[in-house]
Amino acid sequence: DAGVIQSPRHEVTEMGQEVTLRCKPISGHNSLFWYRQTMMRGLELLIYFNNNVPIDDSGMPEDRFSAKMPNASFSTLKIQPSEPRDSAVYFCASSLIGNTEAFFGQGTRLTVV
Amino acid sequence: AQSVSQHNHHVILSEAASLELGCNYSYGGTVNLFWYVQYPGQHLQLLLKYFSGDPLVKGIKGFEAEFIKSKFSFNLRKPSVQWSDTAEYFCAVSTGRRALTFGSGTRLQVQP
Repeated sequence: DAGVIQSPRHEVTEMGQEVTLRCKPISGHNSLFWYRQTMMRGLELLIYFNNNVPIDDSGMPEDRFSAKMPNASFSTLKIQPSEPRDSAVYFCASSLIGNTEAFFGQGTRLTVV
Repeated sequence: AQSVSQHNHHVILSEAASLELGCNYSYGGTVNLFWYVQYPGQHLQLLLKYFSGDPLVKGIKGFEAEFIKSKFSFNLRKPSVQWSDTAEYFCAVSTGRRALTFGSGTRLQVQP
């Protein structure tokens, strides 16, 4: 199994630009999570989906952030417009619904200058 | 709401020393508990997990953790650390069908 696949691995963009992060969960998994990791705030849950439906987006910082899961094998996290304080590592993870182990992708390191 | 506290933010040990990292959670119901490890520059990987049964859980690389329900704790232990254990360790909890909630992490530095 290829595991959770995220792209790009690194992204450098200018403030104000739109950024799209992509995630392919493990085949057969029906829960998908987006986390953000920073030195200051640690690992924060942004949003998660069960069966492609957003369940909890209370962690999404503000309206500039949006996430979609159009099908079971793909999800995007979009930031528009991006700001320097969005610089972080964004992790996608997937699991089976119901308290099982979450498998993490390699993460996308986003730098907004 | 569930929450997780890791009180040790940075731990420095010499090789062969014993390790214990504290983890406390707050939630009154049934919980599932996890320890993840993040090696420098890498993603999170599962060390061990507890769902039910024997409260002493053994994981990979010689790690173990003990669930003490009365103390709301799930401390991670290893009898003898190695330099390669240098990493950040995260305790996490999930309840019901909710996503994992992570603690703030403990950075472990093992000196040769």
